[in-house]
Amino acid sequence: QVQLKETGPGLVQPTQTLSITCTVSGFSLTSYYMQWVRQTPGKGLEWMGFIRSGGSTEYNSEFKSRLSISRDTSKNQVFLKMNSLKTEDTGVYYCARGLTTRVSYVMDAWGQGASVTVSS
Amino acid sequence: DIQMTQSPASLSASLGETVSIECLASEDIYNNLAWYQQKPGKSPQLLIYYASSLQDGVPSRFSGSGSGTQYSLKINSLESEDAATYFCLQDSEYPWTFGGGTKLELK
Repeated sequence: QVQLKETGPGLVQPTQTLSITCTVSGFSLTSYYMQWVRQTPGKGLEWMGFIRSGGSTEYNSEFKSRLSISRDTSKNQVFLKMNSLKTEDTGVYYCARGLTTRVSYVMDAWGQGASVTVSS
Repeated sequence: DIQMTQSPASLSASLGETVSIECLASEDIYNNLAWYQQKPGKSPQLLIYYASSLQDGVPSRFSGSGSGTQYSLKINSLESEDAATYFCLQDSEYPWTFGGGTKLELK
């Protein structure tokens, strides 16, 4: 059974760093792209980036300067770190698994999301 | 970045009806288009990928079509469980971008 679960801090102060862990089960991180998507009141759904099955990454240039995606395959975990947080970063952060078809790597399984509020 | 313009923003329909939702890309996305359904408080669920490929487990009343810059999601014989917000996503070019969403209400 495929499962993804995000754990995060809930509340982060402006200018601080957000760290969210996605723990997966039922599949191997070395076989799938792992994506991060957020949903904010201001901009709706935004694709943030992914880490490929081989470990390389791709980021949305909107976040590139402050976003990092990494993983620990031995622990079945994927990590999102984003620094210099602003109030407009408030929203729900999802990790998701990518399809493995030859035509698409879009997200086919999602976690329940980690709600993040950026406020002092 | 590729802009995805989704229409309508909201839609009201009756059980059993057929509805269509459109997404217009700011440039050719070569069928690299997915559709998602999201219910309140839940994460999005994949319905269609590569414009017209039905994701495993998704009812056949959902279908996708289109090419170039214009794509649509069609839902036949609406059921009560179809009340949700629907989003398109282009994965043709980085950064991938979502449409603004269509909220479907059942009368």
